[in-house]
Amino acid sequence: AQSVTQPDIHITVSEGASLELRCNYSYGATPYLFWYVQSPGQGLQLLLKYFSGDTLVQGIKGFEAEFKRSQSSFNLRKPSVHWSDAAEYFCAVGAMNTGNQFYFGTGTSLTVIP
Amino acid sequence: DAGVTQSPTHLIKTRGQQVTLRCSPKSGHDTVSWYQQALGQGPQFIFQYYEEEERQRGNFPDRFSGHQFPNYSSELNVNALLLGDSALYLCASSHGLYGMNTEAFFGQGTRLTVV
Repeated sequence: AQSVTQPDIHITVSEGASLELRCNYSYGATPYLFWYVQSPGQGLQLLLKYFSGDTLVQGIKGFEAEFKRSQSSFNLRKPSVHWSDAAEYFCAVGAMNTGNQFYFGTGTSLTVIP
Repeated sequence: DAGVTQSPTHLIKTRGQQVTLRCSPKSGHDTVSWYQQALGQGPQFIFQYYEEEERQRGNFPDRFSGHQFPNYSSELNVNALLLGDSALYLCASSHGLYGMNTEAFFGQGTRLTVV
């Protein structure tokens, strides 16, 4: 069965500190992995995606993520958090030939302290 | 480019009623999926439309139905509303069904409250 686990429901960091959001997945086929961000009252915006190749992927807003097949993980990182990064972050998994069908985690809420 | 647009933005319905939500995909996109996002949860896949046919379906009852029109826009219909149907309903659009080379764009959602 396909599933995505985000173990951290809520994280608080100080502005300028580094950030790592955890994501573990379970998927029967070759996974395609995504991180989305959702601000209050907004839809989802794609931060980055991994299909194949280099396991370290760069995204928008200074985010990056590393795919580790042996750990079934796809953790999101940012070296220096800005106050505007406060939002809800979702990890998602999809597959070839399923278009925009994704399985999402329950999300991690990020609070940034000035 | 307006992106993915959904209407209405907010809706209040009474238990037992029926509701129709609408989605216009981003220009150039032909595949539309619908998601239900309950409060404090991640989005859950309802179904996907491509070439006016339902192609994939998540674990939702038949009360949830949809339609895709020739211009690729889509509707989500929910019959016999339950209190538990209260959620943010998101529409996502992308190009093509096969391959994952194009980004899926999400609308801002329709907030449905069932009272």
